[in-house]
Amino acid sequence: EAQVTQNPRYLITVTGKKLTVTCSQNMNHEYMSWYRQDPGLGLRQIYYSMNVEVTDKGDVPEGYKVSRKEKRNFPLILESPSPNQTSLYFCASSPKFFPYNEQFFGPGTRLTVL
Amino acid sequence: AQKITQTQPGMFVQEKEAVTLDCTYDTSDQSYGLFWYKQPSSGEMIFLIYQGSYDEQNATEGRYSLNFQKARKSANLVISASQLGDSAMYFCAMRETYGQNFVFGPGTRLSVLP
Repeated sequence: EAQVTQNPRYLITVTGKKLTVTCSQNMNHEYMSWYRQDPGLGLRQIYYSMNVEVTDKGDVPEGYKVSRKEKRNFPLILESPSPNQTSLYFCASSPKFFPYNEQFFGPGTRLTVL
Repeated sequence: AQKITQTQPGMFVQEKEAVTLDCTYDTSDQSYGLFWYKQPSSGEMIFLIYQGSYDEQNATEGRYSLNFQKARKSANLVISASQLGDSAMYFCAMRETYGQNFVFGPGTRLSVLP
């Protein structure tokens, strides 16, 4: 089954404790992206990747890191989480040809930083 | 810079009636794609419909249609014969041909009344 998977689905942590949210897709998509969703703001892009070893900042990259060492995986790293990073996070992927392809979304990760 | 506006934070519709969700966008690009996603209370993002900027006909997918008015830069979603299961958040999004970003609006919460 074609899908984007994220782990964990739920995470409660404390300020400053490094964490990683994994994202994996099995559709051989070149483009992958991370979003955070906050009430009234919709989804805002954190980072995206056009292909292996190619990443770039989205609209809200502060406090986040990413890496793309393999085509299928795109982990999101919070090295020192803070309470304002409490949010719902989505990973998404799509084929590279713009703008005709929709993004496929993972199930989301609900993060709470105390 | 790309921008998506959804002016209706919340909408109510009676079951079996049609409803229009508004979306306006701002871009200086001539080639772009417009997307609508549905997010039910379970949280996943479900792709509904796509409209390309060069498409001459409005997109339709089952009970969903997109009222695309390029000159006015609007891409309204029309849901015909609303069902209780249509109650959800609806997001309008845009992607430019040469842009890396996939930009979302703030969303409209639709409630279908029995």
